[in-house]
Amino acid sequence: DQQVKQNSPSLSVQEGRISILNCDYTNSMFDYFLWYKKYPAEGPTFLISISSIKDKNEDGRFTVFLNKSAKHLSLHIVPSQPGDSAVYFCAAGGTSYGKLTFGQGTILTVHP
Amino acid sequence: SAVISQKPSRDICQRGTSLTIQCQVDSQVTMMFWYRQQPGQSLTLIATANQGSEATYESGFVIDKFPISRPNLTFSTLTVSNMSPEDSSIYLCSAEGPLAGGTNTGELFFGEGSRLTVL
Repeated sequence: DQQVKQNSPSLSVQEGRISILNCDYTNSMFDYFLWYKKYPAEGPTFLISISSIKDKNEDGRFTVFLNKSAKHLSLHIVPSQPGDSAVYFCAAGGTSYGKLTFGQGTILTVHP
Repeated sequence: SAVISQKPSRDICQRGTSLTIQCQVDSQVTMMFWYRQQPGQSLTLIATANQGSEATYESGFVIDKFPISRPNLTFSTLTVSNMSPEDSSIYLCSAEGPLAGGTNTGELFFGEGSRLTVL
């Protein structure tokens, strides 16, 4: 049972444009959501999070949007840079202390 | 944030052997966790490493296969026992933010992972 899904395995974007990564979840008990970035041979790095009581959180070029009624969140990166090329995981927490449920990841490639 | 170091970073192992992965955090943390990322898959929680008591395992993972130690607030080990090719994965140690200073907003910090290949 895949409680957190990232339906796009990959995304290709031109430098300077917007990257939009999507994530859907099924468990309404999740009460916070996170995005992680992962480079090859490195561990995931925390990017940005959002509590279920908010619908938007912004941090520099990164904005996360949450639509609770649709059980959907998205990560917007504006403007995209080649250094943003990585695997992006969305994750959800709150059902059990400290436990995160991850999506399958989306490979983002930003072309110069 | 917490800095997490794991070793070994990678290893090639023979079927039937066991390997212990070490995880060191640069500050005291309450919670430490072990995750697995199988090839092409997402990260899956194996267990919570509890300081001073037995680890708490997720469904599908058992202590005999993945014994875990947590002797103090900065260190943990995961052993992958009696390995088979299906255990070939990246094993990741993670922790909450430091105990001192700062609020827990739910994010976990991860080590760089230990990539195991079982032949």
